[in-house]
Amino acid sequence: EVQLVESGGGLGQPGGSLRLSCAASGFTFSNYVMNWVRQAPGKGLEWVSYISSSSDTIFYADSVKGRFTISRDNAKSSLYLQLTSLRAEDTAVYYCARDCPVTSHFDQWGQGTLVTVSS
Amino acid sequence: DVVMTQSPLSLPVTLGQPASISCRSSQSLVYSDGNTYLHWFQQRPGQSPRRLIYKISNRDSGVPDRFSGSGSGTDFTLKISRVEAEDVGVYYCMQGTHWITFGQGTRLEIK
Repeated sequence: EVQLVESGGGLGQPGGSLRLSCAASGFTFSNYVMNWVRQAPGKGLEWVSYISSSSDTIFYADSVKGRFTISRDNAKSSLYLQLTSLRAEDTAVYYCARDCPVTSHFDQWGQGTLVTVSS
Repeated sequence: DVVMTQSPLSLPVTLGQPASISCRSSQSLVYSDGNTYLHWFQQRPGQSPRRLIYKISNRDSGVPDRFSGSGSGTDFTLKISRVEAEDVGVYYCMQGTHWITFGQGTRLEIK
């Protein structure tokens, strides 16, 4: 069974940093593109970042470019998102989501981890 | 950015009755490889999103056949043939042809 389990959320200070993790199991992680998607409280879904299977291609939404860094460790079947220069508008549940090479975007999602930015 | 516009934003439906959600994009979603990367997601209350339909009309594994997707170019529709109680939640369309953008979401509730 495919599982994606996020962790690392919590309270962050404005201007501060947090590191999110996503532990994958039940599939060959190194073969799959991965993403982060977030959802502010009571709001819709917003794609945040993309990383190819070998980490050679990375994209960010304009709203986080220069502040967030996506990475992965295929040996550990783990995906990461480093959040820096946090802003109140970064408050959201952050989901990791897998792309399937056959069926396309976001075929599997984790349960999410909540990031709250407040002083 | 490609803007995805869903309607209605709120959809009260009687159990057993059909439901339909429209999604319109500000540009054609046909990619250079011939595919149209338009997908539909369901988010039940308190749960993570779940993909229902990929590339316009393909149901994901385990998705009941009362869900169907159709459309082309810039106009797409998600239909539920007979709404059940477990269908309550928010439905999002998403395009992956020009970067990635989601619709605002349509909240389905039982009348």
